[in-house]
Amino acid sequence: QSVLTQPPSVSAAPGQRVTISCSGSSSNIENNYVSWYQQFPGTAPKILIYENNKRRSGIPDRFSASKSGTSATLGITGLQTGDEADYYCGAWDSSLSAWVFGGGTRLTVL
Amino acid sequence: QVQLQESGPGLVKRSETLSLTCSVSGASISSFYWSWIRQPPGKGLEWIGYISDTGSTIYNPSLRSRVTIAVDTSKNQFSLKLTSMTAADTAVYYCARASYYYGDWGQGTLVTVSS
Repeated sequence: QSVLTQPPSVSAAPGQRVTISCSGSSSNIENNYVSWYQQFPGTAPKILIYENNKRRSGIPDRFSASKSGTSATLGITGLQTGDEADYYCGAWDSSLSAWVFGGGTRLTVL
Repeated sequence: QVQLQESGPGLVKRSETLSLTCSVSGASISSFYWSWIRQPPGKGLEWIGYISDTGSTIYNPSLRSRVTIAVDTSKNQFSLKLTSMTAADTAVYYCARASYYYGDWGQGTLVTVSS
């Protein structure tokens, strides 16, 4: 069981907007930076968002993120079939002294 | 642009020690933090640990007794040793540049533990 909790799956139609939640605690999300990763099958994860809400260079502004208290959210607008992937949140956990990832969310674009 | 490349055996026998190397180009190994992260087939990401620019290490508490991460500055590489391998250690192992986030990753290498 992951320290950060994500829904196993989300789905939406092309062109729509979807959000992926990441729930943690005061020892990770609330007091440390959150980052988000996109992973296609058979490939390494790729950073989308770092330091809570900053898009990595080259990432379209359709991707955004926010953080409030012990939760973080990744939003994707104008969904495309090419966005179908697994998405992970991650943060440092000050109590564990370890980096923690969410369990991952599979995005399906119907 | 930082590039990372994992290398090592794809098959390890149960109870033996896994040794992987990550070759880094485009950055000095002495200037950043470096991590190993793994992903069992069909499952999520698990952080193994990191080594700092000064050589200090922090490991996942669940693996701490079996893990060693080290740096070879002469080769601009860092390594992972994981002892007492079991089937539960079968995974794709990634090396990555560590910061407040993981921006640069290797392509990953699949390690299978055989009985």
